[in-house]
Amino acid sequence: LAKTTQPISMDSYEGQEVNITCSHNNIATNDYITWYQQFPSQGPRFIIQGYKTKVTNEVASLFIPADRKSSTLSLPRVSLSDTAVYYCLVGPDTGRRALTFGSGTRLQVQP
Amino acid sequence: GAGVSQTPSNKVTEKGKYVELRCDPISGHTALYWYRQSLGQGPEFLIYFQGTGAADDSGLPNDRFFAVRPEGSVSTLKIQRTERGDSAVYLCASSLNPQTYNEQFFGPGTRLTVL
Repeated sequence: LAKTTQPISMDSYEGQEVNITCSHNNIATNDYITWYQQFPSQGPRFIIQGYKTKVTNEVASLFIPADRKSSTLSLPRVSLSDTAVYYCLVGPDTGRRALTFGSGTRLQVQP
Repeated sequence: GAGVSQTPSNKVTEKGKYVELRCDPISGHTALYWYRQSLGQGPEFLIYFQGTGAADDSGLPNDRFFAVRPEGSVSTLKIQRTERGDSAVYLCASSLNPQTYNEQFFGPGTRLTVL
């Protein structure tokens, strides 16, 4: 499985756009990039998944360059409720179903 | 609809005791997963069920850990002779199979404390 590297923590203010970058230099051809969000005392929640270029949903956007060795999760206009840990996962979409989480990025949004 | 539920929410036990943790997946989800999360770390995979059978138990740390899902719905994670190092939050997740995305629906977890 491809190893992922992401910042341990980030700080932001309400209303700002937050970009969290994840490095995955050894990503395989059949690997997808998936992001999860985890609030304190809750289980992780799926945010977004992509393979290449850009994916957008109602929560976030995911930017993936052509070489796919990194990806950036973009959260528009964050609020206090976006304070959470964000995990970048890389793996195939089929086959082995176990998700491999790293330590994640702890995002703290200030008023 | 109801999400994944786990009981108990908290469990305190003594070293050497036996514990059972229960997971109720989302109705209709055939895949069920157990993870363990230590403080400050991401969840760590333990076991995956497809229906009633364990499709992948490679994450179970040792033979003190065992999980069942006899009717393909509710699952129980069983830990024998608990050790202090077993203290963690045990998370359960479920998903549809086949699934298009790596989207698993997690419960709130059971916080296990071994004294």
